[in-house]
Amino acid sequence: KNEVEQSPQNLTAQEGEFITINCSYSVGISALHWLQQHPGGGIVSLFMLSSGKKKHGRLIATINIQEKHSSLHITASHPRDSAVYICAVKARGAGSYQLTFGKGTKLSVIP
Amino acid sequence: DGGITQSPKYLFRKEGQNVTLSCEQNLNHDAMYWYRQDPGQGLRLIYYSQIVNDFQKGDIAEGYSVSREKKESFPLTVTSAQKNPTAFYLCASSTTVATNEKLFFGSGTQLSVL
Repeated sequence: KNEVEQSPQNLTAQEGEFITINCSYSVGISALHWLQQHPGGGIVSLFMLSSGKKKHGRLIATINIQEKHSSLHITASHPRDSAVYICAVKARGAGSYQLTFGKGTKLSVIP
Repeated sequence: DGGITQSPKYLFRKEGQNVTLSCEQNLNHDAMYWYRQDPGQGLRLIYYSQIVNDFQKGDIAEGYSVSREKKESFPLTVTSAQKNPTAFYLCASSTTVATNEKLFFGSGTQLSVL
């Protein structure tokens, strides 16, 4: 069974701080997703990656396949980054419907 | 703008009642999904559909039913057999289920029991 663990569960940061959210999983995967869930409940896909590193604006996602670990970094954090960040993985050979989701990391950025 | 529309935002169910959650997409995606989110838990798959007139059970399908009569629409019915329906329900879509595909989500429906 694929387990996805995120840390920390909750994170409070001051505006401008560098933030790291971690995701570990237990089986070989073909893709890892980072999702952002806003306070209203809607979810936006931030990244999908299978190796290396991706960057979009102030967000950077990295993945280490050998160590079964991914990190999401936010540089120069802002209160609008306050949200729940969710990691989801697709096991090797699985279809897109077979995602295993982490429980999420709730980020609060204080002005 | 293309996207996924879920309605209503909030829904209340009485004992013994079936309720239907709407999900419409204009992204021309073949695959659509329903997830359930409970506090402190990861999203869990209820049903998915790869193509019109076809759908498959996910991990927690008991007490739920779906239909896929049109490509754009994938409504979820929460039946009276679902004894613990209070949760946040999210609809999603992707181009296909077969490859590594980005998921697009709706804004969700919060279902509560009266």
